[in-house]
Amino acid sequence: QQQVKQSPQSLIVQKGGISIINCAYENTAFDYFPWYQQFPGKGPALLIAIRPDVSEKKEGRFTISFNKSAKQFSLHIMDSQPGDSATYFCAAANAGGTSYGKLTFGQGTILTVHP
Amino acid sequence: GAVVSQHPSRVICKSGTSVKIECRSLDFQATTMFWYRQFPKQSLMLMATSNEGSKATYEQGVEKDKFLINHASLTLSTLTVTSAHPEDSSFYICSARAPYGGLYEQYFGPGTRLTVT
Repeated sequence: QQQVKQSPQSLIVQKGGISIINCAYENTAFDYFPWYQQFPGKGPALLIAIRPDVSEKKEGRFTISFNKSAKQFSLHIMDSQPGDSATYFCAAANAGGTSYGKLTFGQGTILTVHP
Repeated sequence: GAVVSQHPSRVICKSGTSVKIECRSLDFQATTMFWYRQFPKQSLMLMATSNEGSKATYEQGVEKDKFLINHASLTLSTLTVTSAHPEDSSFYICSARAPYGGLYEQYFGPGTRLTVT
């Protein structure tokens, strides 16, 4: 129940296109949903995060859409650029019990943006 | 702000030896740090939660005697891989919870690549 399922495993997009990555979760106690970007050989960096009380959050070219009833959330990257080529991880966390803020990561999506 | 460093960035050691990896929060005090392990092309798996001044809490399946964690100060946590074996070769990443970011916001270090020969 602590799993977060992410798809697709890999994604190829042309420059200027929209990249969409999806995640689904089971644990309804999750109340924090971040997205991380990781370049090869580096640690992940927080891109954007959302709480379940809003359905969408936008920061620059990055948008999270959140569907509480479906227990799904997605990352949209508008006007994708070659520099966006990286691995993207969704994650989820909740404050309760032994979880206390620990992040559960999805499996990751390797995004390649062709020039 | 909120910079986390790790040292070393890469280490190669022989089987049977121990290796220590340091995780430092450079511009903030972190009462809680996390240690993750990441295999090639895989996700991050939480190994343990490190709280300053107390014993680390290990995730199920992680050998506490093999992966020793010490959080001796508010800016430093160390992970020691004892009696390392080739199967311990992996990318180890730490993160620190920033005091102003609430419960959830973690800042990640750049990772340490461990290769055991």
